[in-house]
Amino acid sequence: QKEVEQNSGPLSVPEGAIASLNCTYSDRGSQSFFWYRQYSGKSPELIMSIYSNGDKEDGRFTAQLNKASQYVSLLIRDSQPSDSATYLCAVLGTDKLIFGTGTRLQVFP
Amino acid sequence: KAGVTQTPRYLIKTRGQQVTLSCSPISGHRSVSWYQQTPGQGLQFLFEYFSETQRNKGNFPGRFSGRQFSNSRSEMNVSTLELGDSALYLCASSGTGNSPLHFGNGTRLTVT
Repeated sequence: QKEVEQNSGPLSVPEGAIASLNCTYSDRGSQSFFWYRQYSGKSPELIMSIYSNGDKEDGRFTAQLNKASQYVSLLIRDSQPSDSATYLCAVLGTDKLIFGTGTRLQVFP
Repeated sequence: KAGVTQTPRYLIKTRGQQVTLSCSPISGHRSVSWYQQTPGQGLQFLFEYFSETQRNKGNFPGRFSGRQFSNSRSEMNVSTLELGDSALYLCASSGTGNSPLHFGNGTRLTVT
């Protein structure tokens, strides 16, 4: 079992819709969770951090964490074509940050 | 505040050569991590340095090494390059505790 799992996609959503990206992790002791966005040919860019159960909102982005289910998600409201990118889930385990392989999001006009 | 700076941006080397990549972290950040990114494997952790000490290491062969200087700048070295070492090498720095990583623009290494 991979330590951090994401559906590779692509996830295709129309402009203006809600995009829902999911991530599961195996280390039950993980305490810190991050979402990064990576455009093709660029480096990952931090978009959200979440540390406690529940929802955390920042503009059009909402991160959701459920430690009991070992599940973290990212919702993007009012999706725009400029949101088209790969979204990486990262989980801080006991000693290092582990990344999922990413979900490719495509927002079409 | 300046971000993480990696040099060079691009490198082309031949098999058997060695290469050194450089990373300057965000000012005040003492932790520097290195990752290899390939299309098939995603982001793979290489190592982390904190206060000039390697704090953690991923599952890479001994050809991959690194170090950190007293000013927190870091270098990684790959010796006896193989074709499979072609990848984007990313450096990231972080502050204390469970702070997130902030990535540089990466060095794209091509081995021919």
